Amino acid sequence: DAGVIQSPRHEVTEMGQEVTLRCKPISGHNSLFWYRQTMMRGLELLIYFNNNVPIDDSGMPEDRFSAKMPNASFSTLKIQPSEPRDSAVYFCASSRLLRSEKLFFGSGTQLSVL
Amino acid sequence: AQRVTQPEKLLSVFKGAPVELKCNYSYSGSPELFWYVQYSRQRLQLLLRHISRESIKGFTADLNKGETSFHLKKPFAQEEDSAMYYCALRAQGGSEKLVFGKGTKLTVNP
Repeated sequence: DAGVIQSPRHEVTEMGQEVTLRCKPISGHNSLFWYRQTMMRGLELLIYFNNNVPIDDSGMPEDRFSAKMPNASFSTLKIQPSEPRDSAVYFCASSRLLRSEKLFFGSGTQLSVL
Repeated sequence: AQRVTQPEKLLSVFKGAPVELKCNYSYSGSPELFWYVQYSRQRLQLLLRHISRESIKGFTADLNKGETSFHLKKPFAQEEDSAMYYCALRAQGGSEKLVFGKGTKLTVNP
């Protein structure tokens, strides 16, 4: 298994543009998590899904952020419109069960909003 | 609310020296505690968890409920231990959220 796959690896965009980050969890994993990593705040949980259903989106910073999981093998995190303060590394992680002891992380998407 | 504090952003030690990465938590119930590690150019991965009381790569961590701490320790640091370390907490029997600290970057010098 290739593990959790995220795309793109790097994204550079201009302020105001729409950004879409993608994630493919490990096959058979039922839970998916989106995290944002910055120097100031460390790793912040944005939203997580169980069986494709959003469970808790209280970490989503603003209405500009939205996430979907249309099926068990794909999730997107969208920022519209993007702002420079959204620049960060965005990680997707999956686990077999919602309360699994182990999260499997993707390689992350480095987002730069100019 | 659950909170994890890692007071040191950076920690530098020499090879062979003992190392302790501090982690304190704030949670009124029973927590589950974890340490995750991210080596250079690798993915963030689980290092160890308090429930299993295991030693991984020479690292151990003991949950001290009195001091609300879960410090990560290794008696003799190796250069390959250089990495970013994150302490994480989940409420036992409560929310499934895994809350991370801000991380400590450990550098082991030769």
